[in-house]
Amino acid sequence: AQKITQTQPGMFVQEKEAVTLDCTYDTSDQSYGLFWYKQPSSGEMIFLIYQGSYDEQNATEGRYSLNFQKARKSANLVISASQLGDSAMYFCAMREGSYNFNKFYFGSGTKLNVKP
Amino acid sequence: NAGVTQTPKFQVLKTGQSMTLQCAQDMNHNSMYWYRQDPGMGLRLIYYSASEGTTDKGEVPNGYNVSRLNKREFSLRLESAAPSQTSVYFCASSELYRVDKNIQYFGAGTRLSVL
Repeated sequence: AQKITQTQPGMFVQEKEAVTLDCTYDTSDQSYGLFWYKQPSSGEMIFLIYQGSYDEQNATEGRYSLNFQKARKSANLVISASQLGDSAMYFCAMREGSYNFNKFYFGSGTKLNVKP
Repeated sequence: NAGVTQTPKFQVLKTGQSMTLQCAQDMNHNSMYWYRQDPGMGLRLIYYSASEGTTDKGEVPNGYNVSRLNKREFSLRLESAAPSQTSVYFCASSELYRVDKNIQYFGAGTRLSVL
């Protein structure tokens, strides 16, 4: 079974609008972490935001927020006020477990295109 | 502050050749990782090193070996390259800030083609 599922291969959003990128995860561990990374066309992986399984509040980092719904096992990324520079691939990732805390799983990504 | 540095950036090999991908980090992180990225598949973990002196297999270790040379350096070796190993390879490092927070920082990647 897929550990991380991103069901939107590609999305378009108008500049200055908000956009939500979907991510669902699968784990039976109580302790886990969820991450979003951005990969621009230049290829580097840029860390955006983190949510711990025990965090009660949704994480926010500037224009990025993570809509964490633990019971539904979803960790959607919300980008507010989209900018042209937000056009990139976005990957959801999970680190699971206390014993295997160094194992990470990535989704297949969502390509976001921001239109002027 | 360079972060995570990978060499080379590009490499073309013939089937059966060997090579080593180098990775170094200057953030004093304990943990280091090697991933491969294939089109449409996201990143898959090849090997990781939780700390100096230890290495463990990830999701797709076959055909690869690793060496954690010291705290800074973690190399990935292809002993006999195959076309299926054509991919973009990323090295990453992380520090365990608390038991559930372990943020990875990535190098720029190595584009490898095996003909």
